[in-house]
Amino acid sequence: DIQMTQSPSSVSASVGDRVTITCRASQDISTWLAWYQQKPGKAPKLLIYTASNLQRGVPSRFSGSGSGTEFTLTISSLQPEDFATYYCQQAHSFPRTFGQGTKLDIK
Amino acid sequence: EVQLVESGGGLVKPGGSLRLSCAGSGFTFSSYGMKWVRQALGKGLEWVSSISSSGSDKYYADLVRGRFTISRDNAKNSLYLQMNSLRAEDTAVYYCASEQWPFGSWGQGTLVTVSS
Repeated sequence: DIQMTQSPSSVSASVGDRVTITCRASQDISTWLAWYQQKPGKAPKLLIYTASNLQRGVPSRFSGSGSGTEFTLTISSLQPEDFATYYCQQAHSFPRTFGQGTKLDIK
Repeated sequence: EVQLVESGGGLVKPGGSLRLSCAGSGFTFSSYGMKWVRQALGKGLEWVSSISSSGSDKYYADLVRGRFTISRDNAKNSLYLQMNSLRAEDTAVYYCASEQWPFGSWGQGTLVTVSS
């Protein structure tokens, strides 16, 4: 199975800050990676797919990069509505696996 | 409007069974592979099972293989998860979603509680 490891597990930041979350795969997954945002009590929301493609309707302050085993999600200027938990997920092979999540909260 | 609506969750005793349903609308359901993902309270997301658009290919997490069965009825735009031999650790909110990008919709989730 492919293990997905996110870092950090949690991060505190302020509105306007630039934040980067990293996701590492235990083996090469090419660009078969998605990023999700989840707020308490809500379903996950797809932000980025195939590592760097912005889902329609997602603000351009979100961006993704990487290939192979190392990936990043960057939020260029944090907005109040961005405080949430973020997950990466590989779709290279089954079983699908998620990272453990990164909780982004207000400093 | 694209929608996925789960139903069928509830309280069940250990060893019991439950069948979850997910109704799709607003898109060509038969064109998309689908998946079930669960989330225990306060925990992360866990992939459970996926099925191809035709229903011919099915995949399961090790923790549920042999106990859960995924299926679909494209004529009814519906996805199912038959859950047997339920355990306390299966307690979670279960979401249905598309396997394929950029289709990004998820259902609102249905809560399954396994407790005596």
